[in-house]
Amino acid sequence: GDSVTQMEGPVTLSEEAFLTINCTYTATGYPSLFWYVQYPGEGLQLLLKATKADDKGSNKGFEATYRKETTSFHLEKGSVQVSDSAVYFCASPHYGQNFVFGPGTRLSVLP
Amino acid sequence: DAGVIQSPRHEVTEMGQEVTLRCKPISGHDYLFWYRQTMMRGLELLIYFNNNVPIDDSGMPEDRFSAKMPNASFSTLKIQPSEPRDSAVYFCASSREGWQPQHFGDGTRLSIL
Repeated sequence: GDSVTQMEGPVTLSEEAFLTINCTYTATGYPSLFWYVQYPGEGLQLLLKATKADDKGSNKGFEATYRKETTSFHLEKGSVQVSDSAVYFCASPHYGQNFVFGPGTRLSVLP
Repeated sequence: DAGVIQSPRHEVTEMGQEVTLRCKPISGHDYLFWYRQTMMRGLELLIYFNNNVPIDDSGMPEDRFSAKMPNASFSTLKIQPSEPRDSAVYFCASSREGWQPQHFGDGTRLSIL
């Protein structure tokens, strides 16, 4: 069945450091791929998405490219801020009915 | 636009009591999902509905848990009787279609003493 694997962290970075959070998927075909972010005390929010191979999703300085050759959708940001401290989830639709979420990666950015 | 609305935001009760969590999905969304989040187990899908009909309840932990969706704008998740291990944050989410992005509520933080 469909599944999503992501690095579990936690990840601790200094402000302005480069961020990469890995995500790979296994699925039949090429599903849409999503990154969600959860700030402390809040629900998950959609951060960015890509609907087909080679698409690049971007939002708030974050980017992720849908690479079918490596079945990956890694999240990147060139310069993180303290306000980016949150938990990040990779996700993909599951048989078109619901979503499969990765386990989440906790990011802490230190000033 | 109003997002997914959950109530209450916080609930503290003693074990053995009945707990009812409520959710109002975004208007026009045909799918509704209930999740549970804990530090130990992460985010778990409990049950989801399509057009008010339960589609998959395989994630419901046991018979103490039940969920209903009497109409398109309201759903409940009930725990009876509650136990301390049910303590968690419970999220409701909705989407237009199953493959489209889900919109999450702010969650209900449940503590069973």
